[in-house]
Amino acid sequence: GAVVSQHPSRVICKSGTSVKIECRSLDFQATTMFWYRQFPKQSLMLMATSNEGSKATYEQGVEKDKFLINHASLTLSTLTVTSAHPEDSSFYICSARDTRTNEKLFFGSGTQLSVL
Amino acid sequence: AQTVTQSQPEMSVQEAETVTLSCTYDTSESDYYLFWYKQPPSRQMILVIRQEAYKQQNATENRFSVNFQKAAKSFSLKISDSQLGDAAMYFCAYRTPLKGNNDMRFGAGTRLTVKP
Repeated sequence: GAVVSQHPSRVICKSGTSVKIECRSLDFQATTMFWYRQFPKQSLMLMATSNEGSKATYEQGVEKDKFLINHASLTLSTLTVTSAHPEDSSFYICSARDTRTNEKLFFGSGTQLSVL
Repeated sequence: AQTVTQSQPEMSVQEAETVTLSCTYDTSESDYYLFWYKQPPSRQMILVIRQEAYKQQNATENRFSVNFQKAAKSFSLKISDSQLGDAAMYFCAYRTPLKGNNDMRFGAGTRLTVKP
């Protein structure tokens, strides 16, 4: 089956620093990728839709200057948490849609971000 | 906006028994997709089963089956012959089929415990 690689799986950083998370589709092209945030014992909340070659679409309440998304190729999207604060600590998950089928959505394994 | 409701925060089942997880949704669309995802302790999202709204036949995948009631906007998941490995969080999700439009909304989740 299709694989989405998300890296790093866990990151600890100091408050005020920036952290980049990569989401890569390994064996298919993904015109569209999605970024979710999941708090402990809660559901996935869509943060933004990342479109290759264009600006990301952010959900209401998500700061685009805080969460920078770059989708420079058909297999890679990155999420950069800028000037991280402890309240940004969360589990971040990406997903990618296979451009050919446009139906199936494949998830990365997630990144646990802890901001000290 | 579409909403997905899972009214059972926690469920428990005896190994080898059958359990049903409930999900209801609200939409004005006539065509859409419904999903059940499993999230084990590893936090990797795993697709369990998918249903297309225009198909009247309930989807099945081995021990997993759904009861899709379109008029009632209900989409329950039945797990037969429960196994210890079925223990996880289960999320019901809804998505419209529009190309490039994610619009995948998740329910709050149901934590399933399997007792040996």
